[in-house]
Amino acid sequence: GEEVAQTPKHLVRGEGQKAKLYCAPIKGHSYVFWYQQVLKNEFKFLISFQNENVFDETGMPKERFSAKCLPNSPCSLEIQATKLEDSAVYFCASSQYGRVPYGYTFGSGTRLTVV
Amino acid sequence: AQSVTQPDIHITVSEGASLELRCNYSYGATPYLFWYVQSPGQGLQLLLKYFSGDTLVQGIKGFEAEFKRSQSSFNLRKPSVHWSDAAEYFCAVPTAMNSGGSNYKLTFGKGTLLTVNP
Repeated sequence: GEEVAQTPKHLVRGEGQKAKLYCAPIKGHSYVFWYQQVLKNEFKFLISFQNENVFDETGMPKERFSAKCLPNSPCSLEIQATKLEDSAVYFCASSQYGRVPYGYTFGSGTRLTVV
Repeated sequence: AQSVTQPDIHITVSEGASLELRCNYSYGATPYLFWYVQSPGQGLQLLLKYFSGDTLVQGIKGFEAEFKRSQSSFNLRKPSVHWSDAAEYFCAVPTAMNSGGSNYKLTFGKGTLLTVNP
C-alpha cells in the first residue's frame, strides 16, 4: 500500500515488561527508519535499515532495544525490559532511497506508555 | 553536524491572519531543508522541501517557504490560516549516516505549536 502501517496504535506496559512494535513499510521502499518522540516534541533517531541490514544504529540504547527487518515480514522494534523513560511515541518511516530523504513517508506512530 | 533551530515554541494566530514560522539552520554548504506538520495523534506529513534552485518553495495546503542563505533561514509562511492548520510544525535537515555522506537520516527541530483562534 501507499502508507506506512504501524501497529499497535497504543501500547501500555508495566515497568520491566517487554514491548514490541511493528512497522510495515510501503511496498518497494528499501529503507526503514525508527524515531522516538519524547516530551511531545523532540525526535530522536534510533535506527535505520536498508532492506534487512542495519544501516545506522547510533541512536539505539542497545542494552534493551533491538530491531529487525526481515523479508516478507513487518519490521519490528522491541524493548526487552521497559522503563518509565521509554514512554514516547515511536514513529517508523520508509523511503525508496537513502541518498536524500525526499521520499520519506511516516507512519502514524505507536504510543507506548510505561506504568 | 547539520542542525535546525525553531526559536518559537508556541504561536497563536487568528483564523484568516497570515502566518510565519521560523527555522534557522546551521550548515556551511547549501542544505536540503524540510517542513513537516504533525496534527494531534497523527504522524508527520511533509509540507514542502528545498533542495536547490528557486528559493521560494511551494508546498501543500497553501504553505510556502523561502530559503535565505544570508539569514540561514527557511521560514514557513501561509497568507491566510485556517482552523485546521492548528498543529505542530517541524523543520528538519538531513544528516549523513555514513562517512561517505551518501545516505541520510533526518534531524528535527524542536517544533512550533500553532494555535488558531476563531
